[in-house]
Amino acid sequence: SSELTQDPAVSVALGQTVRITCQGDSLRSYYASWYQQKPGQAPVLVIYGKNNRPSGIPDRFSGSSSGNTASLTITGAQAEDEADYYCNSRDSSGNHHVVFGGGTKLTVL
Amino acid sequence: QVQLQQWGAGLLKPSETLSLTCAVYGGSFSGYYWSWIRQPPGKGLEWIGEINHSGSTNYNPSLKSRVTISVDTSKNQFSLKLSSVTAADTAVYYCARGIWGYCSGGSCYPRAEYFQHWGQGTLVTVSS
Repeated sequence: SSELTQDPAVSVALGQTVRITCQGDSLRSYYASWYQQKPGQAPVLVIYGKNNRPSGIPDRFSGSSSGNTASLTITGAQAEDEADYYCNSRDSSGNHHVVFGGGTKLTVL
Repeated sequence: QVQLQQWGAGLLKPSETLSLTCAVYGGSFSGYYWSWIRQPPGKGLEWIGEINHSGSTNYNPSLKSRVTISVDTSKNQFSLKLSSVTAADTAVYYCARGIWGYCSGGSCYPRAEYFQHWGQGTLVTVSS
């Protein structure tokens, strides 16, 4: 399958924990990576692989995976975490195409 | 520090060919996948295609008939051409460096892919 499905919008109270999910058959074969995008900016990688954070990404961001679902968890959400979040992986159909989820708009209340 | 810098025409008429180039500074060109990704205004990310240092390409099936991605390893650059553009091709176009597989903490993960470095983005508008 070549689709990754994300909830369009999620909200979280300041300082609370939020989980953003990404579903797709390809996630049974490939790890998801996660990107944060703020208005007018290029996406920024926040999580990749099993649960790895690039240098400079706060440790409140973490990733996990189970079956066909990958999750991005923000523990203690901050105002600056308000952004769009996209998941990405490879298509597991054999063509190795890159696929992105439709994105989740995170609002920090 | 790896940097991707992209450029190209920002305003096109319908039926023209979109042409963008991305230069890679501060890192090796080999061993990575070099992708083009676009984002229509107010919408999500769409992968266009990729190329590796040896010139092997892989394209989004929905765009394959109109896309050509090429590489110039002597200049550490790769380019995108999208023919017969329409208003539906209006988007911010990004170049990005893809890494497929990594090792960490004594374990390796070949089925993990990610884009850590992105260009600044180029808004391409198609309008008559």
